[in-house]
Amino acid sequence: AQSVTQLGSHVSVSEGALVLLRCNYSSSVPPYLFWYVQYPNQGLQLLLKYTSAATLVKGINGFEAEFKKSETSFHLTKPSAHMSDAAEYFCAVSFTGTASKLTFGTGTRLQVTL
Amino acid sequence: DTAVSQTPKYLVTQMGNDKSIKCEQNLGHDTMYWYKQDSKKFLKIMFSYNNKELIINETVPNRFSPKSPDKAHLNLHINSLELGDSAVYFCASSYSGADTGELFFGEGSRLTVL
Repeated sequence: AQSVTQLGSHVSVSEGALVLLRCNYSSSVPPYLFWYVQYPNQGLQLLLKYTSAATLVKGINGFEAEFKKSETSFHLTKPSAHMSDAAEYFCAVSFTGTASKLTFGTGTRLQVTL
Repeated sequence: DTAVSQTPKYLVTQMGNDKSIKCEQNLGHDTMYWYKQDSKKFLKIMFSYNNKELIINETVPNRFSPKSPDKAHLNLHINSLELGDSAVYFCASSYSGADTGELFFGEGSRLTVL
């Protein structure tokens, strides 16, 4: 069965610091990988997705993620955190590319401090 | 115009009562979902409809009954509410032909069972 593991349920960074949120997947076939963000009291929205094209994927709000097959990872990064980045971030995997087969990770809460 | 809208946003009710949550999407999508997010932010799919047909029915108690009158609407009725039903319920939609894995979420309906 497909699954994703997000290391760290809570990450705190200073404003302007590097953001690194970790996601590892388990799969025997090439996966489709996604990062979603949930701002307080809102639904989730797509940040970026990997669908077997370029391994470095750029998303909205300056976020990017790199697919590393050898490490089965899809970590999310942003060079410089902003206060508005404070949110819950979810990694998700699908082996068909269709939304109906998405499996979400347990989420990582990003806190940004002054 | 809100793309995926749910009502009500908040529900507080007593154990044993019956309640409904409604969802509507104006994106022209053909697939709609109900997700449950528990207090630890874990997101789990409950049901999915494609063109009014049930395609995903995860292990959910029979007290939960979804209904899709047309492909733009998906409702969730819950009978005999229990304390463990307290959660945020998210409606989402997608287009099956897009094959991008992107889900569009509503803002959620927070259900509190006392």
